[in-house]
Amino acid sequence: AQSVSQHNHHVILSEAASLELGCNYSYGGTVNLFWYVQYPGQHLQLLLKYFSGDPLVKGIKGFEAEFIKSKFSFNLRKPSVQWSDTAEYFCAVKSYNNNDMRFGAGTRLTVKP
Amino acid sequence: DVKVTQSSRYLVKRTGEKVFLECVQDMDHENMFWYRQDPGLGLRLIYFSYDVKMKEKGDIPEGYSVSREKKERFSLILESASTNQTSMYLCASSLSGWEQYFGPGTRLTVT
Repeated sequence: AQSVSQHNHHVILSEAASLELGCNYSYGGTVNLFWYVQYPGQHLQLLLKYFSGDPLVKGIKGFEAEFIKSKFSFNLRKPSVQWSDTAEYFCAVKSYNNNDMRFGAGTRLTVKP
Repeated sequence: DVKVTQSSRYLVKRTGEKVFLECVQDMDHENMFWYRQDPGLGLRLIYFSYDVKMKEKGDIPEGYSVSREKKERFSLILESASTNQTSMYLCASSLSGWEQYFGPGTRLTVT
């Protein structure tokens, strides 16, 4: 079964700083990759997803992620964070021919105004 | 817009009680999922279903069962609640091969 590692448990940044959250997965086959976000008190929402094609995917709210197959990584980036980006971020992976998904432990992002 | 609803936002139960958590989706999705979310552990898959009356164990099925009698509804059952089942429970649904959509969650406290 696939597993997902998120390296940072809690990241604290000032507004306008750049963000990169790491995500690595272990699975040898073809995968679909996702980043979800959970704002305080809200349900999980999809930020972006990778299925195939261009390994650099753009999502909502200025987020992007790069799939590097050789490194089994799918890191999330944003050039300039805002206070409203304070949330918990989850990386997830599912194998191409299955429907069940595995999530990382999550990274809590705090952006100081 | 996909809508996944869960029967309760907050629930308090006593040890040994039978607990039902209900989830309904309105987008005709084949697949439905139950997770529990705990700090530092992320989301862990309890059970999922890819069709009516079908179910598959996830990573942590012990102490739980599920029921899917209708396509839109997926129930999680705690036969005899224990304190270590205190958690946030999240339901999700998806079309086959696509991303999952989540409900708001049920925060269950077992005392």
